[in-house]
Parts: sequence; structure tokens; C-alpha cells
Amino acid sequence: EVRLVESGGGLVQPGGSLRLSCAASGTTFSSDAMSWVRQAPGKGLEWVSRITNSGASTFVAESVKGRFTIFRDNPKNMLYLQMNSLKAEDTAIYFCARGPSFHAMDVWGQGTTVTVSS
Amino acid sequence: EIVLTQSPGTLSLAPGARATLSCRASQSVNTIYFAWYQQRRGQSPRLLIYSSSTRATGIPDRFSGSGSGTDFTLTISRLEPEDFAVYYCQQYAESPYTFGQGTKVEIK
Repeated sequence: EVRLVESGGGLVQPGGSLRLSCAASGTTFSSDAMSWVRQAPGKGLEWVSRITNSGASTFVAESVKGRFTIFRDNPKNMLYLQMNSLKAEDTAIYFCARGPSFHAMDVWGQGTTVTVSS
Repeated sequence: EIVLTQSPGTLSLAPGARATLSCRASQSVNTIYFAWYQQRRGQSPRLLIYSSSTRATGIPDRFSGSGSGTDFTLTISRLEPEDFAVYYCQQYAESPYTFGQGTKVEIK
């Protein structure tokens, strides 16, 4: 069974930084593209960033461009999201997900909550 | 950016009823890269349909997807109690991989 477990969320002040982690198991992680998706309180899903299986290419939503960086460590089966210059509107549950690939985003973690507030 | 607009915003139906959810794209989307997700209250999203019409592993056959171009549909043939949830469409043809705003299916 493929499993994704996020960690690293918490309360941070505006302008601060946070690094989210996602541990993958049950899959050949180095073969999987991976993404971060967020959900603000009471709102819908927003795709944040994607990284190819090798890490050679990354894609990021305009809303976080220049502030968030996605990267991975394939030997450790880990995905990360470095979040800098955080704003109140970044407050959300952050999910890591496998894909999108041909099979869309077929595995999701349970999410980690980020709260940006003074 | 491809904008996805889902309708209706809320669907009030009784268990056993048929549900039809729509998603319209601001430009044509390759059917290979279109998906539907279900999110129950307090849970992570779950993939239902990929490539517009292919059910994901373990998804019951009362869920079906169809459509092409700019218009896509998710149909639930007979609503079970566990189907009352929020449903999202997504295109993953090009970045940003946008989602629709969601349709809530609630018990009438």
C-alpha cells in the first residue's frame, strides 16, 4: 500500500518560513511525480506545486511563485515544500499527493496544517 | 490558466437518487488529463475518475465520468449514504493543474 505522511505544519508569523515534509512508502518513489495541494479553511482545493520524478523540473502556482520551493530527496523517499515570506492567505491544510501523472493524483496524504498569524 | 467552473454549487438529493455533476473548462482540455475527486468531511481528497472516464482502483461502478472538449460530467447512478460529500474536477493537462470550486452533494 502506498502511503504519504506529511509533517512540519504549525503556527508561524507573517513573513516567516516553514518547511513541510512528506514521507512516502510502499512505492518506487523515484518513479513518481509529486505535488503539493492546499485547502484554506472552508475553501476548495488549490494546486500549489509539482516536481518531476527526478526533480529536474518543477512547476509552481502564481500565488506562491518566488516564495515556495518544492524539492525532493529520492534516496530518502522524501518530498519537501520550503515556504518563505508567508502571508495570512497561505493559511491552509497542505496535502502532498502522488502525481499528477496519467493516473491524475491517485494517492494523498492526510495533510498538515499551516497557520500564518501574528 | 484553464479555469474550471462546476455546477451546481450544491445538489440536494435523497439516497438512491441519481446525481449529475457538471464541470466546464474555459478552454478545451485533452480528455486524457481530466479527473474527478471526492472529499468527505474532515478527510483527504480521493481520486474517483481519471482520463475523464476511467474509475480509479476500488471505486464502485455507480460512479461514471464522461465528456470532452470543455464539458465534463460525473454521474452517480444511485446515491449511497457515503456519497454525500464534496466533488472536485481537475485538469492536469497543463500547469497550473487547476481544480473546480467544488460541488457539494447533500442529503435532501
